[in-house]
Amino acid sequence: DSGVTQTPKHLITATGQRVTLRCSPRSGDLSVYWYQQSLDQGLQFLIQYYNGEERAKGNILERFSAQQFPDLHSELNLSSLELGDSALYFCASTRSRSSETQYFGPGTRLLVL
Amino acid sequence: DQQVKQNSPSLSVQEGRISILNCDYTNSMFDYFLWYKKYPAEGPTFLISISSIKDKNEDGRFTVFLNKSAKHLSLHIVPSQPGDSAVYFCAATGSNQFYFGTGTSLTVIP
Repeated sequence: DSGVTQTPKHLITATGQRVTLRCSPRSGDLSVYWYQQSLDQGLQFLIQYYNGEERAKGNILERFSAQQFPDLHSELNLSSLELGDSALYFCASTRSRSSETQYFGPGTRLLVL
Repeated sequence: DQQVKQNSPSLSVQEGRISILNCDYTNSMFDYFLWYKKYPAEGPTFLISISSIKDKNEDGRFTVFLNKSAKHLSLHIVPSQPGDSAVYFCAATGSNQFYFGTGTSLTVIP
């Protein structure tokens, strides 16, 4: 158990809909990272937040957005969903803003029908 | 644009033998490399890392080698155990960006 929690575990929705994925980092961790893993793909870095502020952006679509709240939990919002958005979404956390060793949650499996 | 590549999707090794997992990268600006292990229905778990200023790092049965001139990274597991059966991802980081390979599924046969 990494100490990172993600909810929900599974999510099934339809194209065009909007969903919110939630992540609670390990106690004391200030940085949260979001990743997408599509079928047969590696993890694609989406975005990083540090202590409430966006720190780095990867391959995140404009239809996707994220935020980190004062209690340090983070939410990833996916809107106008397409079939290709079906994937595993992981969040990870670290203590500092640039710690290389990330602790991953169990992921949220999103299926868009 | 796959900056980190794991060209072997799977690998089978006999228990007790050495497992060698390989990874290639394209960006010479990466300053830190990591290996993660992933079991089904779980998130990746950190295994071992290496800074770009080193060429070897060892932790118990796990050793990571970095060849910067070849832009190649490898993970050696000796001796391999059945519990090592998992998907292994290599990752690289630099300039606040993080890149993962597509993973190699290792099966250790008892």
